[in-house]
Amino acid sequence: DGGITQSPKYLFRKEGQNVTLSCEQNLNHDAMYWYRQDPGQGLRLIYYSQIVNDFQKGDIAEGYSVSREKKESFPLTVTSAQKNPTAFYLCASSRPIFPSGRTDTQYFGPGTRLTVL
Amino acid sequence: AQKVTQAQTEISVVEKEDVTLDCVYETRDTTYYLFWYKQPPSGELVFLIRRNSFDEQNEISGRYSWNFQKSTSSFNFTITASQVVDSAVYFCALSTNTDKLIFGTGTRLQVFP
Repeated sequence: DGGITQSPKYLFRKEGQNVTLSCEQNLNHDAMYWYRQDPGQGLRLIYYSQIVNDFQKGDIAEGYSVSREKKESFPLTVTSAQKNPTAFYLCASSRPIFPSGRTDTQYFGPGTRLTVL
Repeated sequence: AQKVTQAQTEISVVEKEDVTLDCVYETRDTTYYLFWYKQPPSGELVFLIRRNSFDEQNEISGRYSWNFQKSTSSFNFTITASQVVDSAVYFCALSTNTDKLIFGTGTRLQVFP
């Protein structure tokens, strides 16, 4: 079945450690996104990538890094520079709409809950 | 400025009641898309509907219906005959020419048996 997978489901990190969250999709989507969700709040965009080997900062990119070496994969690294990393992280993907170049509906993975100890 | 407002933080209803979730948006773009997503306790966001700014026709899908009114910049979501399985957080979102999704803060719906 086509879909988006995120691993791990739960992740615990000690202060000062970098951790990497995995996001894989087999929907053949070009665009991929990372969001952060804090309790009682909406989702905020961290990074997004519209094609392989290219990505852009979202609204809250500080303390995070990404790579896009393969179409299917868009891993997110939470670095020690992120002051308050405890949150729920959601990955999404979408396909482009031709000929406009706009992107279609974003579909989301199951999320990773990161807790800093 | 682009913004989505979901003024209702939490709504509680008893099963079989109808419930409407409000969404008000702000944008200066003439071409935009509006979305509703459902987030059950498991956490995954489930896509419900996408509507473009040129299509004001209301939509019905089973017990779900959506009322899009450009005159009031609203895109409200109604669940008819609510069920316990409808309990979730519902998010309204806006996408404009940047293709970024701007989310509201969500409305938590609790349906009691």
